[in-house]
Amino acid sequence: NAGVMQNPRHLVRRRGQEARLRCSPMKGHSHVYWYRQLPEEGLKFMVYLQKENIIDESGMPKERFSAEFPKEGPSILRIQQVVRGDSAAYFCASSPPRSSGVDEQFFGPGTRLTVL
Amino acid sequence: GQSLEQPSEVTAVEGAIVQINCTYQTSGFYGLSWYQQHDGGAPTFLSYNALDGLEETGRFSSFLSRSDSYGYLLLQELQMKDSASYFCAPQTGGFKTIFGAGTRLFVKA
Repeated sequence: NAGVMQNPRHLVRRRGQEARLRCSPMKGHSHVYWYRQLPEEGLKFMVYLQKENIIDESGMPKERFSAEFPKEGPSILRIQQVVRGDSAAYFCASSPPRSSGVDEQFFGPGTRLTVL
Repeated sequence: GQSLEQPSEVTAVEGAIVQINCTYQTSGFYGLSWYQQHDGGAPTFLSYNALDGLEETGRFSSFLSRSDSYGYLLLQELQMKDSASYFCAPQTGGFKTIFGAGTRLFVKA
């Protein structure tokens, strides 16, 4: 059973360009989370999605950032008109349906975004 | 509001026992998870406490006191490979999980 996959692993963008980060959850997982991590810091929650629904986007900046988890295909975190402050590691995590009773999230390897 | 406190750094020697404390304040609470993250790597799940008491998984144990909004991670028989960051992560109302800044554990020979 493949783990959570993210691509690309490294992404370089110039200021003003768009960044698209992809996440394929583990098989059977219907919940996806996106986190941002700056060097030497913790994980900052961005958004929690289920298939075709955004459940909680309280951690997403109001502008330039959007996320989706379509019925088919990976979850996408999209950052428009990137700025240097967007440089960070972006982690995706997935979890099985809540009926399992344990809050265990499985993390992907992350996408390291560098904005020049 | 929501807050999470854990020590920023802990240093211990190989073979020793170390305890990493965590206090939290959240709007709604379902349980407390612990994650380990090595430099440059992804967080990996260690344990989850939904009820008060101690959960043991090999060399690692985790404790929760819901009434005190407090938990800890206990690492026994420390090994060099345990050098990493450790995050306590309360699961809040709406099933959102909050991660703090983490505790960097340095294990010395």
